[in-house]
Amino acid sequence: EVQLVESGGGLVQPGGSLRLSCAASGFNFSSYEMNWVRQAPGKGLEWVSYISSRGSTIYYADSVKGRFTISRDNARNSLFLQMNSLRPEETAVYFCARVVFSGSYYLDHWGQGTLVTVSS
Amino acid sequence: SYELTQPPSVSVSPGQTASITCSGDKLGDKYTCWFQLKPGQSPVLVIYQDTKRPSGIPERFSGSSSGNTATLTISGTQAMDEADYYCQARHSTTWVFGGGTKLTVL
Repeated sequence: EVQLVESGGGLVQPGGSLRLSCAASGFNFSSYEMNWVRQAPGKGLEWVSYISSRGSTIYYADSVKGRFTISRDNARNSLFLQMNSLRPEETAVYFCARVVFSGSYYLDHWGQGTLVTVSS
Repeated sequence: SYELTQPPSVSVSPGQTASITCSGDKLGDKYTCWFQLKPGQSPVLVIYQDTKRPSGIPERFSGSSSGNTATLTISGTQAMDEADYYCQARHSTTWVFGGGTKLTVL
């Protein structure tokens, strides 16, 4: 069974940093591209970042470029999101999601999410 | 930047058909996915590649896409289908979500 489990969320002050993790199991993690997606309270889903299976290709939403860093450790079946210079409006549940390609790209499995609260 | 536009809300009576639209420039030239999101849960993929249904998704969920609009259709809507629905498409190197549509079954 495919499982994605996020961790690392919590309360952080504006301007602070946090590192999120996503532990993958039930599939060959090193063969899959991954994404981070967030949902602020009462708001919609917002794509944050993408990483290819080997980590050689990375994309970011303009809103986080230069402050967030996505990475992965295929030996540990783990995905990470280093978030710096956090802003209050980035308070959200952060999800990791697996990318599948079958004629097109889509996100077929999501974790349960981890809550990040940016507040003083 | 690329934008996908959805109606904020759609209402439907139990057993009737609900249609949720998603509009974007030349969206028909891209592939659209649809996700169902219930409070406190993770998003669930209900339609991918415009029209395909993942295993485990009921047949009452279907999708279509043409021109600038993709549509999610739920036939014989059930109370359990009440949720927020999001369309999503890839544009260049970004993954774009619509603003979401709250489906109310009443």
